[in-house]
Amino acid sequence: DTEVTQTPKHLVMGMTNKKSLKCEQHMGHRAMYWYKQKAKKPPELMFVYSYEKLSINESVPSRFSPECPNSSLLNLHLHALQPEDSALYLCASSQVGQGNRPQHFGDGTRLSIL
Amino acid sequence: DAKTTQPPSMDCAEGRAANLPCNHSTISGNEYVYWYRQIHSQGPQYIIHGLKNNETNEMASLIITEDRKSSTLILPHATLRDTAVYYCIVRPNSGYALNFGKGTSLLVTP
Repeated sequence: DTEVTQTPKHLVMGMTNKKSLKCEQHMGHRAMYWYKQKAKKPPELMFVYSYEKLSINESVPSRFSPECPNSSLLNLHLHALQPEDSALYLCASSQVGQGNRPQHFGDGTRLSIL
Repeated sequence: DAKTTQPPSMDCAEGRAANLPCNHSTISGNEYVYWYRQIHSQGPQYIIHGLKNNETNEMASLIITEDRKSSTLILPHATLRDTAVYYCIVRPNSGYALNFGKGTSLLVTP
């Protein structure tokens, strides 16, 4: 079990649907992250939030829209996705600060686009 | 960020020590060495990290060479549940991102 909870665990959606992925942590971490992981590839950073403000966007297409409504929650809103967006979406959190702050990951949402 | 080089795969017999090497010859003085693992169908799990000194916790030991150009993750008594992909990551002191490489796929056999 991880201390970062992601819902849903699996999601199948059509290209015209709108859905949201949710992430929650109660470790008091003020940095939260979204990563994308394609099959048999390592995770790749998408977004970083620090103190509920977006601090890094790794040139992610606008059909992915992150939101951090409070210090415990992180959402990823999805709209008009493409089949190549099918992947495992991972959320992580950490203390803010220097590089000496491990990130803790959830088990991800496995997304399939039809 | 400094690059890392890891063998693509390794085998280890159950109960024996698993020693996973990582080369990071371009590491700079303010960069940490992190180790994560990912068991199939789960998210990456933090194992250990260090800057200069060797580190040990309940999961593993991290041995960093004096010149910091390489490190070894040691799982002292490997079990079947340690079968996973192990990622060695060099992370700057001021950076947020974890830049995962290809990792080492460790197979622990009975």
